[in-house]
Amino acid sequence: DGGITQSPKYLFRKEGQNVTLSCEQNLNHDAMYWYRQDPGQGLRLIYYSQIVNDFQKGDIAEGYSVSREKKESFPLTVTSAQKNPTAFYLCASSTTPNYGYTFGSGTRLTVV
Amino acid sequence: AQTVTQSQPEMSVQEAETVTLSCTYDTSESDYYLFWYKQPPSRQMILVIRQEAYKQQNATENRFSVNFQKAAKSFSLKISDSQLGDAAMYFCACRHSGNTPLVFGKGTRLSVIA
Repeated sequence: DGGITQSPKYLFRKEGQNVTLSCEQNLNHDAMYWYRQDPGQGLRLIYYSQIVNDFQKGDIAEGYSVSREKKESFPLTVTSAQKNPTAFYLCASSTTPNYGYTFGSGTRLTVV
Repeated sequence: AQTVTQSQPEMSVQEAETVTLSCTYDTSESDYYLFWYKQPPSRQMILVIRQEAYKQQNATENRFSVNFQKAAKSFSLKISDSQLGDAAMYFCACRHSGNTPLVFGKGTRLSVIA
């Protein structure tokens, strides 16, 4: 079955460390997105990519980095520059605007 | 820039009753799409209903329907015959044409009382 897979489901990071969240889709979708979810804040856009080898910053890109070397993959790195990384991270993909997104199941990142 | 506002952080409804969740948006584009997503305790985002701005007819999906008022930039969600499984966070979202990102509201937490 086609879908979008995020891993790991839970991730713990020590302060000062970089961590990478995985997002893989087999839907043949061109566009992929990363959002951060905090209580009471809704979903805020971190980065998005509409085509391979190209990506754009979202509203809260500081302290994060991404790559899009393959159509299927859009990993997110949370760097040590991100001061408050503890959050729930959602990856999504889309092919046509009127059908919205297909979401992954999310990664819960906790700084310990 | 688009903005989406959900003015009700929390709502509750009795089982089998009807509830309406509010959403207003702001965009300068004429071609856009509107969505309601449900996020149950599992945190999996589920598309509930969608509406193309150029369509005047309100979208319906079983017990879920919208009241789309384009001039007022309002897009409310009505849930009829509420069920315990409807308890979740509900997010309203808007996007322009092309694969531009969705802009989400802050959500409304819906509780269903048995």
